[in-house]
Amino acid sequence: NAGVTQTPKFQVLKTGQSMTLQCAQDMNHNSMYWYRQDPGMGLRLIYYSASEGTTDKGEVPNGYNVSRLNKREFSLRLESAAPSQTSVYFCAIRPVGQETQYFGPGTRLLVL
Amino acid sequence: AQSVTQLDSQVPVFEEAPVELRCNYSSSVSVYLFWYVQYPNQGLQLLLKYLSGSTLVESINGFEAEFNKSQTSFHLRKPSVHISDTAEYFCAVSRSGSARQLTFGSGTQLTVLP
Repeated sequence: NAGVTQTPKFQVLKTGQSMTLQCAQDMNHNSMYWYRQDPGMGLRLIYYSASEGTTDKGEVPNGYNVSRLNKREFSLRLESAAPSQTSVYFCAIRPVGQETQYFGPGTRLLVL
Repeated sequence: AQSVTQLDSQVPVFEEAPVELRCNYSSSVSVYLFWYVQYPNQGLQLLLKYLSGSTLVESINGFEAEFNKSQTSFHLRKPSVHISDTAEYFCAVSRSGSARQLTFGSGTQLTVLP
């Protein structure tokens, strides 16, 4: 998984609860991304971060916030979870000078 | 804006038969093209990519894809599949720019039958 770790691996939430998905990398890459994967829809970009302290919205940012406080970690927060946020969430990194993104193992989230 | 279409959601094929997974994209600018593979309950792994140069690119496990600019396609092929190739395959594109955001197709489930 290209040195990308995600926690937790699986989580069940009730509607309205909050939680933070964690992504960490061990190679000091600048670019990090959060995607969600839903059946029949491929992966869609939620947020990305080009460097420490900077974040930008992707295709589906509503209902999410992100934080990139240091180079190593990029967290995704759900302030008030909704059933529509049931999905598999993937974090990815892109090494400097490369076009390829490398993905973590994913977090499965179920919102009841 | 860019988009990716994977024309087949499910492709069943018998072991040792050839397979082609189709991918078409639309973009007003030059793009980079990728195929990723996802085995059950795992993350995405890069299978192969086209950045520039030769339009035919190959992976280490026998897959190949050809970039066809006139047809805006990047179809994935393998001349003889194995049971272990059963997985979901995603075509993706990105374009130059600071973000290098990936736009994915909806995926093709390849099932290799004995």
